Amino acid sequence: DTGVSQDPRHKITKRGQNVTFRCDPISEHNRLYWYRQTLGQGPEFLTYFQNEAQLEKSRLLSDRFSAERPKGSFSTLEIQRTEQGDSAMYLCASSLSYYRDSSGNTIYFGEGSWLTVV
Amino acid sequence: QQQVKQSPQSLIVQKGGIPIINCAYENTAFDYFPWYQQFPGKGPALLIAIRPDVSEKKEGRFTISFNKSAKQFSLHIMDSQPGDSATYFCAASRPTNTGNQFYFGTGTSLTVIP
Repeated sequence: DTGVSQDPRHKITKRGQNVTFRCDPISEHNRLYWYRQTLGQGPEFLTYFQNEAQLEKSRLLSDRFSAERPKGSFSTLEIQRTEQGDSAMYLCASSLSYYRDSSGNTIYFGEGSWLTVV
Repeated sequence: QQQVKQSPQSLIVQKGGIPIINCAYENTAFDYFPWYQQFPGKGPALLIAIRPDVSEKKEGRFTISFNKSAKQFSLHIMDSQPGDSATYFCAASRPTNTGNQFYFGTGTSLTVIP
């Protein structure tokens, strides 16, 4: 079990550029989540996949954000035309989905990808 | 609207003290309450979790107390150590038609002074 892996760990980009983050979930996990975290705040939900299907998107996810999980394994989060307000840590998490209640579906986070837009 | 309210925002204790972090929620559909520990520059790591059918859970020096009627739960760290200095997040999860939705508190920054 190698845990949730995210790449790159840090990205500095100029305003207006596009950036893409990659997440590799824990291998047997079929659910994958993206969260955003800013300093002094808890993680905020962005979107969620079960296998390759994107099942839920937050209102925080503007049109400039797109996420994919093409083969139900790794996922990418792309931010187009970055703005300074996009500066944050982008967290990926994964879980199983074999339980009807939440307790068996604990989410496990990666180390996060820090984005700084200058 | 903050689904899970966490307090205090920051906490400083002496080594060996017992810091207590409190969380409250309103939505009775929540059925799972994990706590995460986060060190600077790292992602949150699962620390301990509880279901609402029990009132207390202990794992090592960490204890969750759960009050279902008051819709409150708290984390106690026994014999706190400088290595416990981190940010702690409570969370609450509920099942949805498409999966489980997790909501996080705003975090408590804990400093344990040697």
